[in-house]
Amino acid sequence: EEQLVESGGNVVRPGGSLRLSCAASGFIFDDYGMSWVRQAPGKGLEWVSNINWNGGITRYADSVKARVTISRDNAKNSLYLQMNNLEAEDTALYYCARHRNSGSSEAFDVWGQGTMVIVTS
Amino acid sequence: DIQMTQSPSTLSASVGDRVTITCRASQSITTWLAWYQQKPGKVPKLLIYAASTLQSGVPSRFSGSGSGTEFTLTINSLQPDDFATYYCQHYSTYSPVFGQGTKLEIK
Repeated sequence: EEQLVESGGNVVRPGGSLRLSCAASGFIFDDYGMSWVRQAPGKGLEWVSNINWNGGITRYADSVKARVTISRDNAKNSLYLQMNNLEAEDTALYYCARHRNSGSSEAFDVWGQGTMVIVTS
Repeated sequence: DIQMTQSPSTLSASVGDRVTITCRASQSITTWLAWYQQKPGKVPKLLIYAASTLQSGVPSRFSGSGSGTEFTLTINSLQPDDFATYYCQHYSTYSPVFGQGTKLEIK
């Protein structure tokens, strides 16, 4: 079964940092681009960042640019999101999602269950 | 940046109805559009990509159409399982963006 499992969410103070992880299984991880998508409580979906199959191309939403870094370790079948200088507006459920192919421009066909990030003083 | 606007925000319908949700892009996105379904407390599910291609395993009562700036998701013969929130998404190299969502409620 193709599966994504996120971890690393936590309660953190404004200005703090977190590293989210996403473990992939059931498919050849380096055949696919990946994204992080977040959803604030009661709100819609917001794309955060994406990365192509080999990590050579990364993109970020303006709302997080310069504060987050996406990376992947294909040997470990894992995707990461390093988040720094967290703000209250970053409070959300963070999903990792698989692209339909190896590039950065694709729909998302497999989603994890999400990991919750709460930024509060 | 490209903006995606869905209408309506909320839609009330009955089992067996045919419903249409519209998604408009602020500029042409050719057919770089996907539709997702999300039920409360659940993970989004890909329904359609490339504006009109049905994702594997999605029932054929779902269909998508459009190109350029205007797109529609149509659900024929609504089933109880279809009541959910639907999102359109433009996916591109630079900045994928979701619509604000359309909540499909039981009338």
